[in-house]
Amino acid sequence: GESVGLHLPTLSVQEGDNSIINCAYSNSASDYFIWYKQESGKGPQFIIDIRSNMDKRQGQRVTVLLNKTVKHLSLQIAATQPGDSAVYFCAEFNQAGTALIFGKGTTLSVSS
Amino acid sequence: DTGVSQDPRHKITKRGQNVTFRCDPISEHNRLYWYRQTLGQGPEFLTYFQNEAQLEKSRLLSDRFSAERPKGSFSTLEIQRTEQGDSAMYLCASSTRGLTGYGYTFGSGTRLTVV
Repeated sequence: GESVGLHLPTLSVQEGDNSIINCAYSNSASDYFIWYKQESGKGPQFIIDIRSNMDKRQGQRVTVLLNKTVKHLSLQIAATQPGDSAVYFCAEFNQAGTALIFGKGTTLSVSS
Repeated sequence: DTGVSQDPRHKITKRGQNVTFRCDPISEHNRLYWYRQTLGQGPEFLTYFQNEAQLEKSRLLSDRFSAERPKGSFSTLEIQRTEQGDSAMYLCASSTRGLTGYGYTFGSGTRLTVV
């Protein structure tokens, strides 16, 4: 069915470290995934997306990896900064393409 | 246009009262969505409008909830006879045609507390 989820609810890192946030999905037909960042008191903000015809996509300090064999994707943040502290969600559209389905989120805490 | 605007940002109400929230989407976006987010969870879809037509409603949208988008611009979400379980962040989002995360913009939400 349609569901996305994250492995760990919290992740604590030191400033400057690289962070890896994981997400597993269940629908092998899923072909598009999105990572969102949600800061306290704000709505989710788009970070990066990836289509299933790709294994890797890079943005500014962020990389998303997609492993379709094990239905897993990850978000890597390079040189993590205090401003990266937030809750991160992976998401995909439902089959009708009318709604986003979010996982439960990973809270990233960056200490300086 | 600076993004999706929601009003109010916070609302505290007594159980049993009615509340109404407003969402102003990005002006050129013809699609508008409402989500609910409880503490520690990801947003959950409630309903979707294309222009003024409400095209989809989640099973989460009980009979006490009603949403409108009368002129295809702003939208309102009303909750009648509020219950403590309605306490949540209510998020609005808008998008153009074409399903991409980049084109899907969320507002900052209305946080409802039912006491």
